[in-house]
Amino acid sequence: AQSVAQPEDQVNVAEGNPLTVKCTYSVSGNPYLFWYVQYPNRGLQFLLKYITGDNLVKGSYGFEAEFNKSQTSFHLKKPSALVSDSALYFCAARSNDYKLSFGAGTTVTVRA
Amino acid sequence: GAGVSQSPSNKVTEKGKDVELRCDPISGHTALYWYRQSLGQGLEFLIYFQGNSAPDKSGLPSDRFSAERTGGSVSTLTIQRTQQEDSAVYLCASNGRAGLTEAFFGQGTRLTVV
Repeated sequence: AQSVAQPEDQVNVAEGNPLTVKCTYSVSGNPYLFWYVQYPNRGLQFLLKYITGDNLVKGSYGFEAEFNKSQTSFHLKKPSALVSDSALYFCAARSNDYKLSFGAGTTVTVRA
Repeated sequence: GAGVSQSPSNKVTEKGKDVELRCDPISGHTALYWYRQSLGQGLEFLIYFQGNSAPDKSGLPSDRFSAERTGGSVSTLTIQRTQQEDSAVYLCASNGRAGLTEAFFGQGTRLTVV
């Protein structure tokens, strides 16, 4: 069975500081990994994905994520957080031709 | 259409009534998902379609919930005899069979049972 874990319900950082949102996964076979962001009263927006290739993937709004196979992790990072990055972030995983599983979400608050 | 379309965007219904929620995925996308999101909470998986078949319907909360997909396209989620605890945002997403693409989400249907 697939599963995705986001161990932190909330992450609080000061504007300008690095932001990290953690994610670990359990997928049989090759994992396909995704990050989504949800702003208040909005739908889910795709940020970035790992399919194959370089372990460091870059996405929208200056976000990046690092795939670590040995640790089965796919942490989301941003070198310098903005107040506007405050939102709910979801990690997701799937194996080919199988359902997309989501983590429980992490609320990020960036204070000015 | 260009994106995943869900209708209605908002639905208020009386307890005990049946409701139907519609999802129109991106053309050509064979995988379709339904999720439920309660206020400020995470995504609760409901059901997954590959084509017209549902290999995983393990997330449907009770037998009052059912879903179908016809023609490999439009899907309908039906909730019978609605209860107040069914109030939530119901999200639909689709992606291509290759599995290499991200899933695209609709804006959701906000269901309120009064």
